[in-house]
Amino acid sequence: EAGVVQSPRYKIIEKKQPVAFWCNPISGHNTLYWYLQNLGQGPELLIRYENEEAVDDSQLPKDRFSAERLKGVDSTLKIQPAELGDSAVYLCASSPVASGRAGGGELFFGEGSRLTVL
Amino acid sequence: AQSVSQHNHHVILSEAASLELGCNYSYGGTVNLFWYVQYPGQHLQLLLKYFSGDPLVKGIKGFEAEFIKSKFSFNLRKPSVQWSDTAEYFCAVNNYNQGGKLIFGQGTELSVKP
Repeated sequence: EAGVVQSPRYKIIEKKQPVAFWCNPISGHNTLYWYLQNLGQGPELLIRYENEEAVDDSQLPKDRFSAERLKGVDSTLKIQPAELGDSAVYLCASSPVASGRAGGGELFFGEGSRLTVL
Repeated sequence: AQSVSQHNHHVILSEAASLELGCNYSYGGTVNLFWYVQYPGQHLQLLLKYFSGDPLVKGIKGFEAEFIKSKFSFNLRKPSVQWSDTAEYFCAVNNYNQGGKLIFGQGTELSVKP
């Protein structure tokens, strides 16, 4: 079974430039998550989708971050414009049971996209 | 706000030593509990999980964790570590009755010396 696929694995950009990350979840997983992981910290939720619907985007900085999950499968996370403080690893995960339901919370993670903003 | 605390940022052990990593959470309601592991150069993966029932749960590679509700704790243990256990370990809590957000601790880096 193929895992969660993310691209690009690494991205270096200058501040104020835009950047986009792509995620393909495990087939059949309706719930998709984007997490942010800073160095030495645990992952922090940015947004959670159930199918096409963003059910929790309370931690997404909406002034510069946007996300979409068209057709309820692949997802894209965009930052425009990027700031120095956005340097981090952006993790995508999917799950067969939404974390908002009993039995949920078991997430399958991709390898992450490491962003460096210069 | 709900939070998850891991007691140790970096633990260094010799092979065959016993391991216990602490995890405490602040939420008082019904929770699901997890330990995730990230081996060097690999993605985060599930080590073990607790949903209900026996508070002592066993995971992969000889790891186990004990849920103590009265202490809001979910400590990870292994009787004898191996060099291959070198990794970063994250405790996570899911309060599915309150929005279902999975919240991670800050992680504990384990280094096992051969």
